[in-house]
Amino acid sequence: NAGVTQTPKFRVLKTGQSMTLLCAQDMNHEYMYWYRQDPGMGLRLIHYSVGEGTTAKGEVPDGYNVSRLKKQNFLLGLESAAPSQTSVYFCASSRDYPRPSGANVLTFGAGSRLTVL
Amino acid sequence: RKEVEQDPGPFNVPEGATVAFNCTYSNSASQSFFWYRQDCRKEPKLLMSVYSSGNEDGRFTAQLNRASQYISLLIRDSKLSDSATYLCVGPSGGGADGLTFGKGTHLIIQP
Repeated sequence: NAGVTQTPKFRVLKTGQSMTLLCAQDMNHEYMYWYRQDPGMGLRLIHYSVGEGTTAKGEVPDGYNVSRLKKQNFLLGLESAAPSQTSVYFCASSRDYPRPSGANVLTFGAGSRLTVL
Repeated sequence: RKEVEQDPGPFNVPEGATVAFNCTYSNSASQSFFWYRQDCRKEPKLLMSVYSSGNEDGRFTAQLNRASQYISLLIRDSKLSDSATYLCVGPSGGGADGLTFGKGTHLIIQP
């Protein structure tokens, strides 16, 4: 059972280049998320999806685009990479959407380390 | 103000000792919280949920104090393998759906 798989695990880009991070989950989860984690900042939500064909903005969406064409996949795109986007990116999925009174669990992928020069 | 706040540490604790750390939250209506564990250069993984009645799982105990708006994590008989960053997770503010992560508390168990 693979859970959540992210590719690539590492990538180095030059400023202005574009790239796509792929997240795949095999748990039939409806909800998927992209986070970035920076030193001293904790995990911040970039975009999320509540089902196939849907996407929504999170806390720090600028400079990123996402797509969820298939239920099991959630893609994160950088159209024109900037050094400020150097970070570790985590994809996560959950069966239900976290609610204030809920007891939901996020399953994370292993992370993708992106460096923008 | 961040919805959940943690002391970043590091907490340096000798093996076998008991250690506890807290996480404060700002939304008094919040009902569900979690502790995630994150090892160096790895992904976060759920450690335990925090219920209003408390939650115990082996050497780990999590409690919610609504009056003072904090949650706690207690680790008894600490092991070297407990060294990690512990993330406090709570609901997003303003009654909206979603989760907010604390910045984490770094724990180092020393032999």
